[in-house]
Amino acid sequence: DAKTTQPNSMESNEEEPVHLPCNHSTISGTDYIHWYRQLPSQGPEYVIHGLTSNVNNRMASLAIAEDRKSSTLILHRATLRDAAVYYCILRDKGGTSYGKLTFGQGTILTVHP
Amino acid sequence: DGGITQSPKYLFRKEGQNVTLSCEQNLNHDAMYWYRQDPGQGLRLIYYSQIVNDFQKGDIAEGYSVSREKKESFPLTVTSAQKNPTAFYLCASTEKGGRNTGELFFGEGSRLTVL
Repeated sequence: DAKTTQPNSMESNEEEPVHLPCNHSTISGTDYIHWYRQLPSQGPEYVIHGLTSNVNNRMASLAIAEDRKSSTLILHRATLRDAAVYYCILRDKGGTSYGKLTFGQGTILTVHP
Repeated sequence: DGGITQSPKYLFRKEGQNVTLSCEQNLNHDAMYWYRQDPGQGLRLIYYSQIVNDFQKGDIAEGYSVSREKKESFPLTVTSAQKNPTAFYLCASTEKGGRNTGELFFGEGSRLTVL
């Protein structure tokens, strides 16, 4: 399975942009890049996903490198509620298999007031 | 509202006892997953099921068992063979689709403590 690498932790100040990087050098052509985040004692929640083009939604933006070996989750204005663990995972879109979805340790984001 | 319901939220068990965690979804999703999370760690896949009456082992299946008799239900049994069962257990589901881009929906988790 293709794996991802993320920094263990990052810090930001409130109302500043945050760029969370993810490396996935062994990504295959059929892998989608998904981001989830997890608040303490809760299940993860979906943030955004993409394949090749940059994506935007109400929560965040996803910038995908041209070679797809890395991506960056962008929170445009961090709030205290954005403090969470952020996971970058790869999902194989192919055929009849959903694939084993592997979550790494993620990046712990701390947001300072 | 549609979603995933896990129960119980908290569970205490004595060593040597089996315990079953419930996971029910009303999202009409085909695929369901069980993850384990230890303090300060990421999620590790225990079992997953893509269709009724079929399931596959994940990365840490030893000491666990599952069943998938109904589309909406995917219970997890933590057996006495699981050496370190104290953990936070998360159930998730996703819809089946040719593009397979759907998001995972997670339950709120079940926290199991072995006394």
